[in-house]
Amino acid sequence: GENVEQHPSTLSVQEGDSAVIKCTYSDSASNYFPWYKQELGKRPQLIIDIRSNVGEKKDQRIAVTLNKTAKHFSLHITETQPEDSAVYFCAALKAAGNKLTFGGGTRVLVKP
Amino acid sequence: DAGITQSPRHKVTETGTPVTLRCHQTENHRYMYWYRQDPGHGLRLIHYSYGVKDTDKGEVSDGYSVSRSKTEDFLLTLESATSSQTSVYFCAISTSSGNADTQYFGPGTRLTVL
Repeated sequence: GENVEQHPSTLSVQEGDSAVIKCTYSDSASNYFPWYKQELGKRPQLIIDIRSNVGEKKDQRIAVTLNKTAKHFSLHITETQPEDSAVYFCAALKAAGNKLTFGGGTRVLVKP
Repeated sequence: DAGITQSPRHKVTETGTPVTLRCHQTENHRYMYWYRQDPGHGLRLIHYSYGVKDTDKGEVSDGYSVSRSKTEDFLLTLESATSSQTSVYFCAISTSSGNADTQYFGPGTRLTVL
C-alpha cells in the first residue's frame, strides 16, 4: 500500500520567515495530494491540495509543489505569522482510490 | 464545516462497556470515514463507507464496527471498550462523488476509557 513520510516533525521559524515541509510517497499511482492544518484542540482543516496534472499551486501565502518523478511534494508558507503555528499533515491518494494515506505531521512554531 | 456534526463530543466510559459514536452530514455525500488520532500516530483510518450499507476496513479496524443505514449517518461502535481505545475520533466526508479526495473533517469526539 501507499506510504507517506513527512519531514521535519517539528519546525521553528521566526515570524516573517518562510517554512517548508516535505512529504515523500511510495506509490507512483497516487495523483491527489492535500495538506491539512490542525490547531490545538481543533479539527484538521484542508488548506490546499494539488493533483498530479500540475506542478505547483498557490493560494495567498501558501503554495504546494509536486515532483512526480521524485515522488515528493512540499508545502511552502511565506511571510509566516503567529497564527500559522499549528500541526500540518500531508496526505496522498491513489487514482480512483478510497483511502487517503497521511504523513505523520509537522508541528510548526512561529516565534514573534 | 461541510455540514458535519459528531455526537457526543466528549465521553467517558468504563472498560468493557459498548460505545457508539455518531457522525451526521447534511449534504448527501457518498464517502464517509472514521479516523482516530493519537499522539505520535497522526491520523489513522478505522473504517470507511462508500454508500448505504457499503463499508470497508481501514488500517486500525480491530475492535471497531460501523454501520450506515442512511446516507446522512455513519455510526462507529466499540463493542467492548478498552483503555487502548482512548483517543480523539474524527469523522470525515469526501465531497468528491467518485473517490476519496477533498475530505473535510467533523469537530471530533474525545473518548476516554477508564
